[in-house]
Amino acid sequence: AQSVTQPDIHITVSEGASLELRCNYSYGATPYLFWYVQSPGQGLQLLLKYFSGDTLVQGIKGFEAEFKRSQSSFNLRKPSVHWSDAAEYFCAVGDGNNAGNMLTFGGGTRLMVKP
Amino acid sequence: SQTIHQWPATLVQPVGSPLSLECTVEGTSNPNLYWYRQAAGRGLQLLFYSVGIGQISSEVPQNLSASRPQDRQFILSSKKLLLSDSGFYLCAWRDAYTQYFGPGTRLTVL
Repeated sequence: AQSVTQPDIHITVSEGASLELRCNYSYGATPYLFWYVQSPGQGLQLLLKYFSGDTLVQGIKGFEAEFKRSQSSFNLRKPSVHWSDAAEYFCAVGDGNNAGNMLTFGGGTRLMVKP
Repeated sequence: SQTIHQWPATLVQPVGSPLSLECTVEGTSNPNLYWYRQAAGRGLQLLFYSVGIGQISSEVPQNLSASRPQDRQFILSSKKLLLSDSGFYLCAWRDAYTQYFGPGTRLTVL
């Protein structure tokens, strides 16, 4: 069965500092990988996704993520954090081999931004 | 473009009362649809998914049920709510292996 681990429950960074959120997955084949962001009381917004090809993917709001097969990781990065980036971030792995194409989510990382 | 709506946005219900949450998708046909629950301080739990009208798969046994009476409508129901049903309910639709989420419904059971 697939699984996703986000080791950091909370992260606090200063505005303007760089950010890296960790995501490790367990999946038998080539995974479909996603990062979503959720502001308080809102739904999830897709930041970026990886299916195949270039292992460094660019997303919205200046975010990028790198797929590293050898480390089973898909870490999210941003070079300079803005106060509006404070939110909860979810990594997910998708199973393209079943009809339902369910996603398995990590537990989330809550990002706080200091002024 | 596609949009997804959830209704209502917030709901406060007494224990033992019935529940009906609605999700509708516009701009696409025959999408896969999903219901998730997010309990306070916890991650997302897949409750149900549907690959077509009248086709419902349940991921977690509980007192909730789902129905898909129309192609782009997905309904989450309960006959008698429990305190543990409180949470944030999210509907999603799928496009080419990517799921897109609605704005959610905040349910509080008192």
